[in-house]
Amino acid sequence: KAGVTQTPRYLIKTRGQQVTLSCSPISGHRSVSWYQQTPGQGLQFLFEYFSETQRNKGNFPGRFSGRQFSNSRSEMNVSTLELGDSALYLCASSLGRSEEKLFFGSGTQLSVL
Amino acid sequence: SQQGEEDPQALSIQEGENATMNCSYKTSINNLQWYRQNSGRGLVHLILIRSNEREKHSGRLRVTLDTSKKSSSLLITASRAADTASYFCAAAGGGGSYIPTFGRGTSLIVHP
Repeated sequence: KAGVTQTPRYLIKTRGQQVTLSCSPISGHRSVSWYQQTPGQGLQFLFEYFSETQRNKGNFPGRFSGRQFSNSRSEMNVSTLELGDSALYLCASSLGRSEEKLFFGSGTQLSVL
Repeated sequence: SQQGEEDPQALSIQEGENATMNCSYKTSINNLQWYRQNSGRGLVHLILIRSNEREKHSGRLRVTLDTSKKSSSLLITASRAADTASYFCAAAGGGGSYIPTFGRGTSLIVHP
């Protein structure tokens, strides 16, 4: 089985722009979670989508949004970028049941200048 | 807020030595998971221990869980240079959510 695929691998944007990141989960996985990783804060949970519905949400401003398509692929969008949004954005997939491990992609490294 | 917090933040050892990393969490959990991350890459799941389990083994890994102290430890025996990575604990099931909440990680360097 192919693993979790995230595109693009690297992104450079300027303040005020918006960005869309993509995640293709492992085939058969219906849950996709997004995390933001920074050196100071570690991994922070953004949101989780299951069967095209946002099922859980972390404590991030409304500039961060996401969606999931019928094929379970997910996108996250960050609008009006700020310098502090520079981070590694990680996507993880699973079957969506409790007591499950997550399968992570390699992440998208976003730099905001 | 962080549910899992790892200690120490950094650990440097020689090949062949054992490495022990600790994790503390704040609320009751359903399970606790350990992940490994090589520099700038995604996380890889190592082991999951349920709240009713006290110890679990997987190869050179040994995980313990003490729910009364809200803490867990990860022991890597006979470390190898290839074990150099960051290690994260993730607590799940706190507050009714099964979403794993990660700590800031322990950076392990194993010198050959």
